[in-house]
Amino acid sequence: EIELTQSPGTLSLSPGERASLSCRASQTISGSHLAWYQQKPGQAPRLLIYGASSRASGIPDRISGSGSGTDFTLTISGLEPEDFAVYYCQQSGSTPWTFGQGTKVEVK
Amino acid sequence: QVQLQESGPGLVKPSETLSLTCTVSGGSIGGYYWSWIRQPPGKGLEWIGYIYYTGGTIYNPSLRRRVSLSLDMSKNQFSLSLKSVTAADTAFYYCARDRSVRVAGEFDPWGQGMLVTVSS
Repeated sequence: EIELTQSPGTLSLSPGERASLSCRASQTISGSHLAWYQQKPGQAPRLLIYGASSRASGIPDRISGSGSGTDFTLTISGLEPEDFAVYYCQQSGSTPWTFGQGTKVEVK
Repeated sequence: QVQLQESGPGLVKPSETLSLTCTVSGGSIGGYYWSWIRQPPGKGLEWIGYIYYTGGTIYNPSLRRRVSLSLDMSKNQFSLSLKSVTAADTAFYYCARDRSVRVAGEFDPWGQGMLVTVSS
């Protein structure tokens, strides 16, 4: 099973600042099958990024993903009020598909 | 636009079987992988397993002995059955579809989720 470790656990930033979230895998994720989700309180997760760097439908271009192998990054350039939430990475390179433990982006 | 909706009992007694159904509207079950994912309150996400539209399944080994997925294409529904539940199975249960027919494991869209509590 591939374990995903996200860091930091919490990111305290102000609107307009840049957020950089890390996701490290315990082994290489084949095909860069790495996705990022945003979850707000009381809501289901929403797909942001798939294939490590492709934006899902309707996702603004201030949100971007990068990385390959075992190290992946989600970047939000210029935080908007609606970006404060919990973010999860998830791999689908091999079953069982697994999620990271999440990074909370909170208002500083 | 495809929408998913979970339904079933919100309270299950310990040792009994949890059964949930996901109803798909705005599109067909055909062609896609369909997954169940759960999240204990205040905690992270765990993938339970998927069922392909042809009926093939893959389960998370952590739950394999207790879980079963099925689908009913005539009703555009797929279902989760988890037997011998304990308090540790208390969670929000989400159903989800894959984003694309070509790639499995990228979940979009999701149902709104349903809290199932295991308690006597």
